[in-house]
Amino acid sequence: NAGVTQTPKFQVLKTGQSMTLQCAQDMNHNSMYWYRQDPGMGLRLIYYSASEGTTDKGEVPNGYNVSRLNKREFSLRLESAAPSQTSVYFCASSGQGEDQPQHFGDGTRLSIL
Amino acid sequence: SQQGEEDPQALSIQEGENATMNCSYKTSINNLQWYRQNSGRGLVHLILIRSNEREKHSGRLRVTLDTSKKSSSLLITASRAADTASYFCATARYKLSFGAGTTVTVRA
Repeated sequence: NAGVTQTPKFQVLKTGQSMTLQCAQDMNHNSMYWYRQDPGMGLRLIYYSASEGTTDKGEVPNGYNVSRLNKREFSLRLESAAPSQTSVYFCASSGQGEDQPQHFGDGTRLSIL
Repeated sequence: SQQGEEDPQALSIQEGENATMNCSYKTSINNLQWYRQNSGRGLVHLILIRSNEREKHSGRLRVTLDTSKKSSSLLITASRAADTASYFCATARYKLSFGAGTTVTVRA
């Protein structure tokens, strides 16, 4: 019963390097999300995909791009990493509609030096 | 921007005691959800209360919602060591907006 799987779990990058975070869900959910979690800030939405083939910006999209590869997979790309992007990144998925709970992966801990 | 704000930021209680945490928000909502996060793990959905509901129960959890005061509370009764975690409220209006969380420590 995998749910939402994120890879990698940990990563250290140098400033300017690029990186793609992978996310896959096996619950047949239409909607998928990328969040970042910083101390004292809660979770902030970076991008989301309401359904296969669509993506939209969230609260903090600058410096990131996303791809909804298919219904299962939603990736997050950092084209030129900056120290301010050091964070824990969470992927989530949900059924359609606001009353559907979101299911989270265990996160990717990303440090940018 | 954060919609919900939890209070207190941290809470330490003895096993068997009740834990209460509050969430205040700023704009109208369609529903409010509570999530738990254990250290090093992702968030887990606990309970959802719709804007037309006032109280909801799930096991040892009791959630209230007062839309006139724009506030919600989460009560965990008879706490256990396994309840040690951070708890987040999230308000839903088109998208979920999370607060910064309450860290609960249950002492054995």
